[in-house]
Amino acid sequence: NAGVTQTPKFRILKIGQSMTLQCTQDMNHNYMYWYRQDPGMGLKLIYYSVGAGITDKGEVPNGYNVSRSTTEDFPLRLELAAPSQTSVYFCASTWGSETQYFGPGTRLLVL
Amino acid sequence: KQEVTQIPAALSVPEGENLVLNCSFTDSAIYNLQWFRQDPGKGLTSLLLIQSSQREQTSGRLNASLDKSSGRSTLYIAASQPGDSATYLCAVYNQGGKLIFGQGTELSVKP
Repeated sequence: NAGVTQTPKFRILKIGQSMTLQCTQDMNHNYMYWYRQDPGMGLKLIYYSVGAGITDKGEVPNGYNVSRSTTEDFPLRLELAAPSQTSVYFCASTWGSETQYFGPGTRLLVL
Repeated sequence: KQEVTQIPAALSVPEGENLVLNCSFTDSAIYNLQWFRQDPGKGLTSLLLIQSSQREQTSGRLNASLDKSSGRSTLYIAASQPGDSATYLCAVYNQGGKLIFGQGTELSVKP
């Protein structure tokens, strides 16, 4: 199994541009999550999904959108990039309340 | 609102020393508590998961304890090695399907 994969690994965006961060898991997990991690900080939950077609907001959802059309994929959309969205983004998946498996992260720089 | 705090923020020890990392949380209504390791520039790797009904979990040189009533967990690392150098994060799994993270303890083990 590849586990949780994320693309791209690194991206530079200009203010106002949009992009989609991709996340795919091959473990048939029902729960998927998007987090952001700022330097020296823990992870903040952006959005999560408990199954295909179901999504919900986390702690810091503003400026982001998600969709979950399949069990495997959980893309995160940034519509109008702002410098405050410069961060490292992690996707994770799990079965219910069990151990979360994390992807390698996407480093995003907004200039 | 659940808050997770980790003390200390950074710790430097000589190789071979036993050490304890601390984690506290404000709401005892949790499903489980998880400890993760994060190497620089990498994603998170799960170390131990303690269910709310358990008192401790062990894996090799690692032992994690949970005292739900006092809102505390400790991660004990025996005979530390330079390869243990990383950031250690604890997270509590709340009702509602969310994992709430602490800010992490950055550990440096000197040869």
